[in-house]
Amino acid sequence: GAGVSQSPRYKVAKRGQDVALRCDPISGHVSLFWYQQALGQGPEFLTYFQNEAQLDKSGLPSDRFFAERPEGSVSTLKIQRTQQEDSAVYLCASSFPTNTEAFFGQGTRLTVV
Amino acid sequence: KQEVTQIPAALSVPEGENLVLNCSFTDSAIYNLQWFRQDPGKGLTSLLLIQSSQREQTSGRLNASLDKSSGRSTLYIAASQPGDSATYLCAVTSGTYKYIFGTGTRLKVLA
Repeated sequence: GAGVSQSPRYKVAKRGQDVALRCDPISGHVSLFWYQQALGQGPEFLTYFQNEAQLDKSGLPSDRFFAERPEGSVSTLKIQRTQQEDSAVYLCASSFPTNTEAFFGQGTRLTVV
Repeated sequence: KQEVTQIPAALSVPEGENLVLNCSFTDSAIYNLQWFRQDPGKGLTSLLLIQSSQREQTSGRLNASLDKSSGRSTLYIAASQPGDSATYLCAVTSGTYKYIFGTGTRLKVLA
């Protein structure tokens, strides 16, 4: 597609619920990143994929967070047993190749109630 | 550990003014520096990318400069317009793929 697409745009989850956030990167982009942005803050790195390989997951805040990119294109960020502190905007970005300009999606705003 | 700071945190100017947004980083061994714009409730829009070997980039009314040795970048916006109102974020990569972001400058241009 023309840009990075994320869905859903908004998600309200009850505490304890599992959620799945989807990212469609720009076609052909090798690198895919997930970031978390709390209100009033800059985005913070969560995880990085090169094709289907998850090369860095050091930013994932807990083992409740899991990301995958099984075929090297679409990626899913899953959060299990959501908690209020998970409320944030989750941004996906892609680039080709790594360390060139990154293009960000519109984000998914997750609110845990 | 790389840290990125943006000053000021918020800025309000009348339409037509030229303005400068500042970004500083603690580790000068960066690969790229990128300026983004973020509108409320939206994702990030890339404005300018400066590679470590470059000193500045220009796009329309925007000019970004980079001084690696002093750990600083500035984003200059000429003849500001109400449509420029947004949060401006700077981010660096330091030889890895991770972007380290500042907390942004919230700009409001008054008509």
